[in-house]
Amino acid sequence: EAAVTQSPRNKVTVTGGNVTLSCRQTNSHNYMYWYRQDTGHGLRLIHYSYGAGNLQIGDVPDGYKATRTTQEDFFLLLELASPSQTSLYFCASSDGLGQGLAPLFGEGTRLSVL
Amino acid sequence: QQKVQQSPESLSVPEGGMASFNCTSSDRNFQYFWWYRQHSGEGPKALMSIFSDGDKKEGRFTAHLNKASLHVSLHIRDSQPSDSALYFCAASETGANTGKLTFGHGTILRVHP
Repeated sequence: EAAVTQSPRNKVTVTGGNVTLSCRQTNSHNYMYWYRQDTGHGLRLIHYSYGAGNLQIGDVPDGYKATRTTQEDFFLLLELASPSQTSLYFCASSDGLGQGLAPLFGEGTRLSVL
Repeated sequence: QQKVQQSPESLSVPEGGMASFNCTSSDRNFQYFWWYRQHSGEGPKALMSIFSDGDKKEGRFTAHLNKASLHVSLHIRDSQPSDSALYFCAASETGANTGKLTFGHGTILRVHP
């Protein structure tokens, strides 16, 4: 069964802390995405990738790095976390949008930066 | 400027009623549209896509796209309490192989008994 698994599910850190959010997909999809969800803003794209070693800038990339180490694994890095990065983060994967195949989302990671 | 705009912000319909959502893109490069639904505590799940002008029906759900005005709508007939959720419209560029999907702010639906 197609799956996108995120870890951890919840994370609390302090301002200036170092955080890594992990995402693994078992769908053999080429594309992987990181979004953040905030009330009043919907889902906003941070970074995405179309394969191992590739990284594309999204719409709200400031303060975030990402790395795609394998076809399956995509990481989001916050090296100096700030309270403005408190949010619900979603990872997704897709096989490209041209065939009408919608990205499949994980269950999310709730991050609090104190 | 928000490239994908949704209305209304929230909606309340009686059980068995019709729920209708609207979405407009301000970017003419956005020609492919998706509707997603998110229940509380879960990730968004895709409901349907629409790429061509006209209607597309899947069970109780009907989407309508007008490419000239870049307006897409979603209608849920015979709404059930389990349909209560946050509904997102999302759009991607023509050609669609960029893989980049842009979301609207969402519409909260409450279906009351």
